[in-house]
Amino acid sequence: DAGVIQSPRHEVTEMGQEVTLRCKPISGHDYLFWYRQTMMRGLELLIYFNNNVPIDDSGMPEDRFSAKMPNASFSTLKIQPSEPRDSAVYFCASSTRPGRQVWETQYFGPGTRLLVL
Amino acid sequence: QKEVEQNSGPLSVPEGAIASLNCTYSDRGSQSFFWYRQYSGKSPELIMSIYSNGDKEDGRFTAQLNKASQYVSLLIRDSQPSDSATYLCAVKRSSARQLTFGSGTQLTVLP
Repeated sequence: DAGVIQSPRHEVTEMGQEVTLRCKPISGHDYLFWYRQTMMRGLELLIYFNNNVPIDDSGMPEDRFSAKMPNASFSTLKIQPSEPRDSAVYFCASSTRPGRQVWETQYFGPGTRLLVL
Repeated sequence: QKEVEQNSGPLSVPEGAIASLNCTYSDRGSQSFFWYRQYSGKSPELIMSIYSNGDKEDGRFTAQLNKASQYVSLLIRDSQPSDSATYLCAVKRSSARQLTFGSGTQLTVLP
């Protein structure tokens, strides 16, 4: 399996521009998570989906952030308009719970490094 | 109080020594506990998971859980320079799917 795929790997944009981050989860995984990582705040959960449905978006910082999962193999995280404080590494992760396993492993993508000037 | 707390380090140990990484959590409803390793510029990678009190060993890694004390630790025996990374502690409540991460402990193993 190719693992979780994210694009772009690096993004540099100017304040006020729209940014769209993309994620392809591992095939067969029914949970998808978006995280943001900064030195100051560490790794924070933004939103997660189950079977393409958003379950918890309480971590989304403000209305400038939105996320969609139109199908089981694709999700986007959009920031509009972007601000310098949005600069961070954004990770996508996916998981599933096979059988009667008590827990599931979250597999992280390589991340997108976003710099907003 | 943060939900998951770790000593930020940096923690330095000589090659061959035992590295001990600690994590405390505040939610007594937490049921599953994970240690992720993150190399600089890379994504987190799961190395250990534990959900019962006691020790769980996997190669050079041992995870220890004490739910009464709300404490989980990771021991790395025979530390190698390749173990140098940031180690993230994560916890999950039984009813939840999301993980809550600590801020991570930076470990450096000196040759």
